Amino acid sequence: DIQMTQSPSTLSASVGDTITITCRASQSISNCLAWHQQKPGEAPKVLIFQASNLESGVPSRFSGSGYGTEFTLTITSLQPDDFATYYCQQYCSYLRTFGQGTKVEI
Amino acid sequence: EVQLVEAGGGLVQPGGSLRLSCSASGFTFRSHSVYWVRQSPGKGLEYVSGINGRQNVMNYADSVRGRFTISRDNSKNTLFLQMSRLRPEDTAIYYCLKARHSDYESIDYPPFDHWGQGALVTVSS
Repeated sequence: DIQMTQSPSTLSASVGDTITITCRASQSISNCLAWHQQKPGEAPKVLIFQASNLESGVPSRFSGSGYGTEFTLTITSLQPDDFATYYCQQYCSYLRTFGQGTKVEI
Repeated sequence: EVQLVEAGGGLVQPGGSLRLSCSASGFTFRSHSVYWVRQSPGKGLEYVSGINGRQNVMNYADSVRGRFTISRDNSKNTLFLQMSRLRPEDTAIYYCLKARHSDYESIDYPPFDHWGQGALVTVSS
């Protein structure tokens, strides 16, 4: 199985900050990487696929980058609606695997 | 608008069975692979199973293989997960997801693009 490791597990930030979350794969996954956002009590929502492609309707302050084994999710000018948990996920094999999540808190 | 609506969750005793369903709308259901992913406090997000549109390719996580069966009814735009020999560690919210790409685009492992709202399954005596 491909293991996905995110850091940090928790990130404290303020409105207006720029933050970066890192995701590492245990083996190369090319650009088969997605990011999901989950707010408390809600289902996750897809933000980014193919490492850097924003889903329709996702604000441009979200961006993704990386290739191979190292990926980042960056949120510029953090908004109150962005405080949530973020998960990376690889889809280079049938057994999709997720990172453990990064909680972005105020 | 794509909608995925799960149903069938509930409380079941260890060793029991339960069938989840996911009613899909807003896209050509028969052309897309669909999946189940679960989320529990202890294990985070975990892939459970997937099935392609033609129903000739199914896959399972090791943790559920032999106990869970995925199926679909394309005439009713519905995905199913039959769960048997349930264990306490199967307790989770079960989400239905769809592939971003149609099966006809011949992408081996497409990304997800939509999640359902989830169905809670609790396995406890």
